[in-house]
This record gives sequence, structure tokens and C-alpha cells, in this order.
Amino acid sequence: KQEVTQIPAALSVPEGENLVLNCSFTDSAIYNLQWFRQDPGKGLTSLLLIQSSQREQTSGRLNASLDKSSGRSTLYIAASQPGDSATYLCAVTPGGSGGSNYKLTFGKGTLLTVNP
Amino acid sequence: NAGVTQTPKFQVLKTGQSMTLQCAQDMNHEYMSWYRQDPGMGLRLIHYSVGAGITDQGEVPNGYNVSRSTTEDFPLRLLSAAPSQTSVYFCASSYSAASGETQYFGPGTRLLVL
Repeated sequence: KQEVTQIPAALSVPEGENLVLNCSFTDSAIYNLQWFRQDPGKGLTSLLLIQSSQREQTSGRLNASLDKSSGRSTLYIAASQPGDSATYLCAVTPGGSGGSNYKLTFGKGTLLTVNP
Repeated sequence: NAGVTQTPKFQVLKTGQSMTLQCAQDMNHEYMSWYRQDPGMGLRLIHYSVGAGITDQGEVPNGYNVSRSTTEDFPLRLLSAAPSQTSVYFCASSYSAASGETQYFGPGTRLLVL
């Protein structure tokens, strides 16, 4: 059974710092990996999606990398801002599901606090 | 576009009561799904649908029913609520179920079963 782990569970940094969030998964046979952001009491917002054939994706100050063979992904946030404070979730689509978004398996998330 | 909408935002039920959580999207998305989010458990897939008239079970389907009569709506029914169903429920949709499609999530329904 696929398991997704996110470390650390919580992270507090001063504004302006660069930071890395980690995600690991036990079954490397995935079709894609997604990073989401969740604000308190809100739904999830998709940040980046990396296909299994890709190594990284970038959007603004965010950069996500994927090492499928080792079962690891990182989300790099440059020049963090207080508005980046949220819970960040990673999710994988397990292999064998026909290359689809069926049955996303989520990690428990990293709660990020960026202090002014 | 309103995106993915969910109603109600919050609901309190007594054990044994029934209710329907509503989910609607106005993006003409074929794929819709329901997740529950519990502390320490992450999000888990309950049911999903790849199009009108087609539904299937996810990881934790027991105690829940779904139907998909239109492309826009995907209601989740609790026939006899139990305290174990206390959770936050999220509906999600995407244009298709293809692996490169972004999923859009609703704001969630917080359910408390006493």
C-alpha cells in the first residue's frame, strides 16, 4: 500500500528565508506527484504537478523536484513571505491506475509559518 | 466561474440521522470525487465519478452513497450517520481523470455527528 510521508510536520521561519519541504513515498511506481496548499478552514489549491517522467516544475517562487527512483520530492520556496503561511500537502497517483488521477494518496502535510 | 461549491459549510447531526452533502461545479469537468480529512490521517478518497451515470468506490466508501445524474452535481449521502463520520469533507473535480490534469477542490463541509 502506498504511503506518503511529509517532513517536517511543522516549520516556522522568518520572512525572507528560503526553505525546503520534503515528501517521500514508499512505492516508486507513480504517475504523478502534486503539491497543494491548504489555508485554515479552506479547501486545497493545486500548486505544482510533476509527471513521473519529469524532474522538476517551477511556478514563480516555487520549485518542486521529483526523484521517482528514490521516492522523494521537495518543494522549494524562495524568499518566503507571511502570505506563504499555510499547510502544504503532497499527493501521488499510484502506478497501475492507467495514468489517471484516480485515488490520490496524500501525505499529512507540513504546517508552514512565516514570521514577519 | 464559481468553481467547485459545497453546501452546507457546517452541519451537526445526531447518530442515525441522514443527510446529503452537496457538491457542484460549473467548469464542465468530467471527473469528480469526494475526500474526507481527519486529523492525523490526511485526506482519503471516498467515492469518485468519471462522468454522468458512472461512479466507483475509493479507499473508505462504507457508510456513504453517491450518484451522478448530471455533469455538474455529485452529492454525497450519509444514510445513517455515525460518530466515526465526523470529519471535514472535500469535493474535487478535474476536466478529466488524465494524469496531467489539475484537481480543483471545494471549500469543504465540516460535519459533526453526536
